[in-house]
Amino acid sequence: SAVISQKPSRDICQRGTSLTIQCQVDSQVTMMFWYRQQPGQSLTLIATANQGSEATYESGFVIDKFPISRPNLTFSTLTVSNMSPEDSSIYLCSVLDGLSEKLFFGSGTQLSVL
Amino acid sequence: SQQGEEDPQALSIQEGENATMNCSYKTSINNLQWYRQNSGRGLVHLILIRSNEREKHSGRLRVTLDTSKKSSSLLITASRAADTASYFCATDANSGAGSYQLTFGKGTKLSVIP
Repeated sequence: SAVISQKPSRDICQRGTSLTIQCQVDSQVTMMFWYRQQPGQSLTLIATANQGSEATYESGFVIDKFPISRPNLTFSTLTVSNMSPEDSSIYLCSVLDGLSEKLFFGSGTQLSVL
Repeated sequence: SQQGEEDPQALSIQEGENATMNCSYKTSINNLQWYRQNSGRGLVHLILIRSNEREKHSGRLRVTLDTSKKSSSLLITASRAADTASYFCATDANSGAGSYQLTFGKGTKLSVIP
């Protein structure tokens, strides 16, 4: 299993600003994922972040809005840029355990944009 | 796009009763997984069932899979107040070497009343 430390756990931000969310994993993992969960909704995959390559974004998500860094096998960041109230969501990072095919999740970042 | 659809959307039961949640999906899968989420925080993996399996048990959890109907059910027996959470099914959509995507359903919100 993997233990993921995600921070901040919550933040309240002003419109037009940016927030960077960090995820630190206690072991080396190849595949990391960033999800968004809008209030009362399911999880939507934003992008897949593999170390050593550009992140792969899902339809509806673009790098300018959600730049991702993956400098090594234990760390990743997601930035939510030029925020608007529509960006208010929970953002979750997760990693794949290739052997078990299970996802392990960070505790999430609850973002509110005023 | 959403793959899994759970029903009911919400379920309220008395402690000690059994809770059954259903999940339907649209395309062929390699495996189906169930996750639990407490209070909008990180998800916790519960159980994985492969496409060639029909039933799986883990403690008080029982999962069934019917690939002909593209459906799965999660049964929690002898429920406890601590089981109160949202439960999501997720299906894989492996699209080739180096990629992986788990698509989540909308979830069932379970409330167990003491």
